[in-house]
Amino acid sequence: DAKTTQPNSMESNEEEPVHLPCNHSTISGTDYIHWYRQLPSQGPEYVIHGLTSNVNNRMASLAIAEDRKSSTLILHRATLRDAAVYYCILRDVRAGNMLTFGGGTRLMVKP
Amino acid sequence: DAMVIQNPRYQVTQFGKPVTLSCSQTLNHNVMYWYQQKSSQAPKLLFHYYDKDFNNEADTPDNFQSRRPNTSFCFLDIRSPGLGDAAMYLCATSRDIPYGTGILEQYFGPGTRLTVT
Repeated sequence: DAKTTQPNSMESNEEEPVHLPCNHSTISGTDYIHWYRQLPSQGPEYVIHGLTSNVNNRMASLAIAEDRKSSTLILHRATLRDAAVYYCILRDVRAGNMLTFGGGTRLMVKP
Repeated sequence: DAMVIQNPRYQVTQFGKPVTLSCSQTLNHNVMYWYQQKSSQAPKLLFHYYDKDFNNEADTPDNFQSRRPNTSFCFLDIRSPGLGDAAMYLCATSRDIPYGTGILEQYFGPGTRLTVT
């Protein structure tokens, strides 16, 4: 699987935007970028995914670099409830129903 | 609400004493997964089922077994737990997505935290 690199941790202030980076320089043309997050004492949950174009949903936005070697998950207004570990995952469409979780970024939100 | 349920949330077992963790789902998904998550680490896939077809990850120890008697239920059996098996065990489900589909949304339960004494 193509690998991702994320900062171990980040801090944000409540109600401010947060940009969580992910590097994936070895991404292949069949890799979709997925983001999951894991709130404390819970299982991971799907956040967003994309291939080439930027994506928005009710939870977040995903900005994908033109060369696809990096992406950024954007939380527009962080709340205390957004404190979690955020995982950037590359999923090869040829690989079936498989996800491989990497290190993730622990986001801390300060009131 | 449709969901993935894991029981119990906390399980304590003794070194070497077999233990079974349970997972049930009301989503009617045909794919079910078991992940192991040790402290401060990412979840690691142990195995998964496509319906009744069992798929073991190459590095999953033989000590870990699984059963899926029907669509709704899946069990993780640890035959002889060691201290190194203390972890959070996460069950997840998903639809069996067509080849070439981009999105893979897995739905996770809250996990069972296993302590080995």
